[in-house]
This record gives sequence, structure tokens and C-alpha cells, in this order.
Amino acid sequence: GESVGLHLPTLSVQEGDNSIINCAYSNSASDYFIWYKQESGKGPQFIIDIRSNMDKRQGQRVTVLLNKTVKHLSLQIAATQPGDSAVYFCAELFGNEKLTFGTGTRLTIIP
Amino acid sequence: EAGVAQSPRYKIIEKRQSVAFWCNPISGHATLYWYQQILGQGPKLLIQFQNNGVVDDSQLPKDRFSAERLKGVDSTLKIQPAKLEDSAVYLCASSPPGIKDTQYFGPGTRLTVL
Repeated sequence: GESVGLHLPTLSVQEGDNSIINCAYSNSASDYFIWYKQESGKGPQFIIDIRSNMDKRQGQRVTVLLNKTVKHLSLQIAATQPGDSAVYFCAELFGNEKLTFGTGTRLTIIP
Repeated sequence: EAGVAQSPRYKIIEKRQSVAFWCNPISGHATLYWYQQILGQGPKLLIQFQNNGVVDDSQLPKDRFSAERLKGVDSTLKIQPAKLEDSAVYLCASSPPGIKDTQYFGPGTRLTVL
């Protein structure tokens, strides 16, 4: 319900440490997954994606892990910086269906 | 490359009033999406256009919401009449031809209904 949605899961991490943000997706048939970053007052920004035929993909300072057995997705951010503070959403896509977003996790970087 | 443009950025109206939002997608992007994002939640798709045709409007409350993309470029989303529960950020996104997975989002319009 809406009251649950108002209480975003939060994660506070010391600057320079690594962050791990988790996401449980709903459709076992989803074949494409995306992580988005949303800063205050802005639209979601693409970070990294992964297809269901992979279990790991790396970008610059970010790694996405996919565990299809338990329908779990994670985003790892290495050496977090103050600019990493944002809400992070995972999104899943199955075939030609609509992109479905998760609830989001608010990441706060402690200086 | 210019991003997705949206206006206005903020709008405050009273319930039962009407409101319209405008979106100009990235040049050349055939697919345009309107999302509703309620505070603390992920975006929810309202309507998807492919050029000037509607692909998916299954989650659009058609009794009060309407959208158009007459020339296959920019788009407007209208709410008439607005309800308190319509308070949200309305996001527009676009994607290049044949690459629907990659959506580029605009900054959104924050609507407050009093």
C-alpha cells in the first residue's frame, strides 16, 4: 500500500566503502534487468543492465549480479562517493511487456 | 545530444481542476512513455506510444487521464478532473527505434493536488 511505499529501504555507507543494493524481482520469465539511479528532482538514469543468460556484468565501479534461482538481483558499487547518494531502482522486462520497476533503495553516503 | 524535455517542472492545483504536461523526446526516438511515480515508489507505466500510435495504455485511468502524440514527436498528458491521489511525479521517457530496452528519462513534472 502507499504507506509502505513511503518508507523506502535505506542503506548508509561510509565514503570509500563498497555498497551492495539488493532487489527481488517478480517474474521468473523476465529476460532483461536494469539498474537505475534517481537523484532528487531528476528522472531515473541508466546505470547498468544484464540479460538473463548472464549472471554477472561489470561496469565502471559497478557490478550487477543475477541469481535466477532465487529471482535476486544485486548492484555493487565500489569505493562509494558522495555523488552516489540517490535512490536506486531495479527494473525487469519480459519480452515485449512493460518495464516493471521495484520499490527502490535509498543510498546515503556518510562523509 | 539534448535529453528529454518536460514542462512544467512543478504544478500545484486543487482537486477537480485540469492539468496538462508536455514532453519533447530525444530527437529521432520513436517510442515515448509516460510514467507516474508516487512518492517512495518506482515509476509505473501509464502509456506507451510508438510514433503516434498507442502501444500500451492498460494502466492509464482513462476516465480522467488522456494522452496524445499527434505528430509522432512531442506529447501531452492531461488529467481532468484531478484527484488528491494523482499527486505524483509524471515522468516522460523515450527510446531509440528498435532499442526499446534503453529508456532515457526526462526530469519529470511534480504535481501536487490540494
